[in-house]
Amino acid sequence: KQEVTQIPAALSVPEGENLVLNCSFTDSAIYNLQWFRQDPGKGLTSLLLIQSSQREQTSGRLNASLDKSSGRSTLYIAASQPGDSATYLCAVRLKGSGNTGKLIFGQGTTLQVKP
Amino acid sequence: EADIYQTPRYLVIGTGKKITLECSQTMGHDKMYWYQQDPGMELHLIHYSYGVNSTEKGDLSSESTVSRIRTEHFPLTLESARPSHTSQYLCASSGSGTPASNEQYFGPGTRLTVT
Repeated sequence: KQEVTQIPAALSVPEGENLVLNCSFTDSAIYNLQWFRQDPGKGLTSLLLIQSSQREQTSGRLNASLDKSSGRSTLYIAASQPGDSATYLCAVRLKGSGNTGKLIFGQGTTLQVKP
Repeated sequence: EADIYQTPRYLVIGTGKKITLECSQTMGHDKMYWYQQDPGMELHLIHYSYGVNSTEKGDLSSESTVSRIRTEHFPLTLESARPSHTSQYLCASSGSGTPASNEQYFGPGTRLTVT
């Protein structure tokens, strides 16, 4: 059974720092991995989608990497800002999920960026 | 920009009432999903749909039911609400075809409180 783990559960950094969020998964047979942002009481905003054949994706100050063989992904946030404060979730889509597109989510890392 | 909508955003209702949570998307996506998320916890899939007239139960058992009569609409119904149903319900959709279309887009969520 696929399990997705995110470490740390919470992180507090001063503004301007570069930081890395970690995501690990137990079954390397994934179709893709997606990083989301969730603000308190809100829905999820998709940040980056990495296909299983890709090593990384970049969007602005965000860079996500994928190492399928070791079952790991990282989300790198450069020059963090208070507006980056949110919970970051990673989710994997299993190869065996066929036509469903079902995602398995981690518990998230709650980030606080202090001014 | 994702066009997926949920109503109501917040609902407080008494035990035993029947409720329907609405979800609509204007992207023409064939796949739609309902997730349940308790505060501080990960998302769990409770229902999904491949397309019109197809619905399946997700990984987490739920007393709710869903229907998919139109591509753009995926309502969730609780016949008799109970306090244990208090949670946030998130709707999502994704397309088919190209790998990029597998990205899941989420609505803003409905926060349900059953008293």
